[in-house]
Amino acid sequence: EPEVTQTPSHQVTQMGQEVILRCVPISNHLYFYWYRQILGQKVEFLVSFYNNEISEKSEIFDDQFSVERPDGSNFTLKIRSTKLEDSAMYFCASSEGSHGTDTQYFGPGTRLTVL
Amino acid sequence: DQQVKQNSPSLSVQEGRISILNCDYTNSMFDYFLWYKKYPAEGPTFLISISSIKDKNEDGRFTVFLNKSAKHLSLHIVPSQPGDSAVYFCAASWGGYSGGGADGLTFGKGTHLIIQP
Repeated sequence: EPEVTQTPSHQVTQMGQEVILRCVPISNHLYFYWYRQILGQKVEFLVSFYNNEISEKSEIFDDQFSVERPDGSNFTLKIRSTKLEDSAMYFCASSEGSHGTDTQYFGPGTRLTVL
Repeated sequence: DQQVKQNSPSLSVQEGRISILNCDYTNSMFDYFLWYKKYPAEGPTFLISISSIKDKNEDGRFTVFLNKSAKHLSLHIVPSQPGDSAVYFCAASWGGYSGGGADGLTFGKGTHLIIQP
């Protein structure tokens, strides 16, 4: 069964450093998403991406964040200058179609620890 | 601003019995609802969904009920099995049929379901 994959599973970084989280969505999916879950809190939407551009972003997704689909398979989330409060699980998701009609399938997540 | 609420942080059910997980929402624009199951150190796994044009959707042991007037949905699992022990998230989105809505899912805080032997 096709699945969303994410690398690395765990990333440890120093405050102020840049990190890139990688995702390979399901191959025939066209919509891609990033979510995060801070420990003990709910899963929160960050950004959606379609046709090589951001479709929607939440208020969490500020200028320190960016997303890119550098090739036909990878989808990345870059955090430019990490802060302690960026420590969280980051989940990538993909769907065939857009919201409301198509299910989003999630990857296993990357645990980001900012020291 | 909790647009999707799961008021029970945990629920304990005996194996073989019915598990009922509840979810309330406040945003009347939501028109698509999903339930995800999550094990520790894994991503959310899709279970079942329902569109606002329906009031029930069934898939095997899982049934989701939607009461739009009460802005309430519930997930029924019957019979409950030990492998069902996990955190269950209710999620919602809007704009599917009306267009121009939010892409991101809004999640509840989750309910930890524990199936006791």
